[in-house]
Amino acid sequence: SQQGEEDPQALSIQEGENATMNCSYKTSINNLQWYRQNSGRGLVHLILIRSNEREKHSGRLRVTLDTSKKSSSLLITASRAADTASYFCATVGANNLFFGTGTRLTVIP
Amino acid sequence: DTGVSQDPRHKITKRGQNVTFRCDPISEHNRLYWYRQTLGQGPEFLTYFQNEAQLEKSRLLSDRFSAERPKGSFSTLEIQRTEQGDSAMYLCASSQPGTGYNEQFFGPGTRLTVL
Repeated sequence: SQQGEEDPQALSIQEGENATMNCSYKTSINNLQWYRQNSGRGLVHLILIRSNEREKHSGRLRVTLDTSKKSSSLLITASRAADTASYFCATVGANNLFFGTGTRLTVIP
Repeated sequence: DTGVSQDPRHKITKRGQNVTFRCDPISEHNRLYWYRQTLGQGPEFLTYFQNEAQLEKSRLLSDRFSAERPKGSFSTLEIQRTEQGDSAMYLCASSQPGTGYNEQFFGPGTRLTVL
């Protein structure tokens, strides 16, 4: 079964706006990761945040983690049309990743 | 290009036929994973290898599915007697101990359509 659940399922914004998507998970974690998937393609690792971290930045990406609420958020600032993709959070099992259902982001030029 | 590659990218087959997919991981990565992704869902773990040893299999991996990694390099995933429910994207990923195996690098996937 999949451990993470993203919210919203779909998000449509204008280019230049910020996009925020949320992830909730069920069990204790060592780290949480975010991946991007362009339509019909493989996944690309974006960022990893460890359980003892509360916030992490990478370029236009900002990830937060609240282990007490078992939730994480991904913020993409100053969005671009090329950011159009599905975004998944993933928690680490013993030897594999558990993915959520994803947020489909559409950035309108 | 030193990324993960998968072949074929697309496969259309008739129900009941056998299919085999290949994955070539990043060369220095000793772990290799197979995932299945259906439309509108996130990837679901099927199995993984450390070197040539298959160390874990998901309950999703029915008896019709078999995976191998004979020399600890490339891997194959075979589905026997395909069913329409097998239609999905099959993703391969690899990882290395240097990152604690945390970051997985994914291939472009093989999209299977069973008619």
